[in-house]
This record gives sequence, structure tokens and C-alpha cells, in this order.
Amino acid sequence: DTGVSQDPRHKITKRGQNVTFRCDPISEHNRLYWYRQTLGQGPEFLTYFQNEAQLEKSRLLSDRFSAERPKGSFSTLEIQRTEQGDSAMYLCASSPDASLADYNEQFFGPGTRLTVL
Amino acid sequence: AQKITQTQPGMFVQEKEAVTLDCTYDTSDPSYGLFWYKQPSSGEMIFLIYQGSYDQQNATEGRYSLNFQKARKSANLVISASQLGDSAMYFCAMRERQGYSTLTFGKGTMLLVSP
Repeated sequence: DTGVSQDPRHKITKRGQNVTFRCDPISEHNRLYWYRQTLGQGPEFLTYFQNEAQLEKSRLLSDRFSAERPKGSFSTLEIQRTEQGDSAMYLCASSPDASLADYNEQFFGPGTRLTVL
Repeated sequence: AQKITQTQPGMFVQEKEAVTLDCTYDTSDPSYGLFWYKQPSSGEMIFLIYQGSYDQQNATEGRYSLNFQKARKSANLVISASQLGDSAMYFCAMRERQGYSTLTFGKGTMLLVSP
């Protein structure tokens, strides 16, 4: 399967613990995105990488959140000192560099569902 | 103000009938793109159809078509000949040229297709 993969698919943790999620994009895609989706809402943008450079960060990304993409391939999203409000689905997406500026389909992974007790 | 508005929390349709899912958007950017995604219960977001702001014709992809009314800032998704497998959440999203890299999503519409 050459789609976007995410690991783990589910994570249950206690409040105050740190968690780390991994995303492996489609191999030839150099753009990578993280979104958060809470119950009953659409996905909300968190951050975006072009290769290894983190080019955009949402204000939703508090200082407890950090994302990396060290070699421009896979990415990790870490949440420190988790809070119950962090419970959500964390979605990763990737896309190629767009030759047509407007049409840049993002391919999503299956998500990591985080539950903070 | 919300950038993407989906006013229908849920829609019901019988198999083989057509259904329209509403989406209105708000942007001052003259160059933007509109997307529809399907999210089944498994959670993965599946791309359905795209409409660019400068496209002259409404987009179509198989049973999916987009009713794009630029002056009204609406981009409704039409699903023809509904199938049971179409039951899912449907999200409208926009990418603006200014924030070219990110998608802004609506809250979604849950579609249930009955036999």
C-alpha cells in the first residue's frame, strides 16, 4: 500500500503524559500537513512542512505541541503534558509540489485517535 | 466569520436517488480552490472533487458533480444515483491563495442512504 500511513491508530494516555505520533507520507510527496479533528467538527489545520522545513503553524499549535520532519520524509507530532482537551483524531496528509497552483490534492492518512483520561 | 459553512448536519436519501449537500464559503481572495471530501466511519478522508475559482465549468467526477455558483459563493455537491456505500460524513473545504498550503474545512454533513 503506497498511501499515507499513521502510527499508532489509537492511543489512550493519562493526563500529563507525553505522546508521539508518526506519519509516513506518500514517498514522492514533499508536502506534509497535520490536522486535528474533534468530535462533530471538520479537521483543523495544525502545521505544514515543505520537505524538512516547517513553513506554517496554526495558533492551535500551543507550545506543548511540536512537530518535526527531520529528513523530509516521515514526520512526528509530539504532545507534551497532555490535557483532556487534546483528545481528538490527529490526521496527517501529504501532497506533491503543485505545478498548477490551485489544484493540490491532499491525500490523508487514517488518523491517530488520541484519548486523554 | 466562518469561512466554510455547511448548514445541513444530516441528510437522508433513498438508494438510487440524487442528493445535494450544501456548502457556502467566504473569502476575499480572487484565487481559491474548493474541495469535497468523504469520511466514512473508518476515519480516512477521501478526496471526491475539486473546483477552482477560475474554472468556467462545473466539476464532475463520475457520480459526483459540483454546482459552483461563484456570485453566491456556494459550491454544492451533487451525488447522483446514491448507493448504500455513500453513507458517510461529507466535508467541504477551501484553500485560499494567500494561505495556499492549508485547507479550511466546514463542520460536515452526515449522509445516510437507506435501501
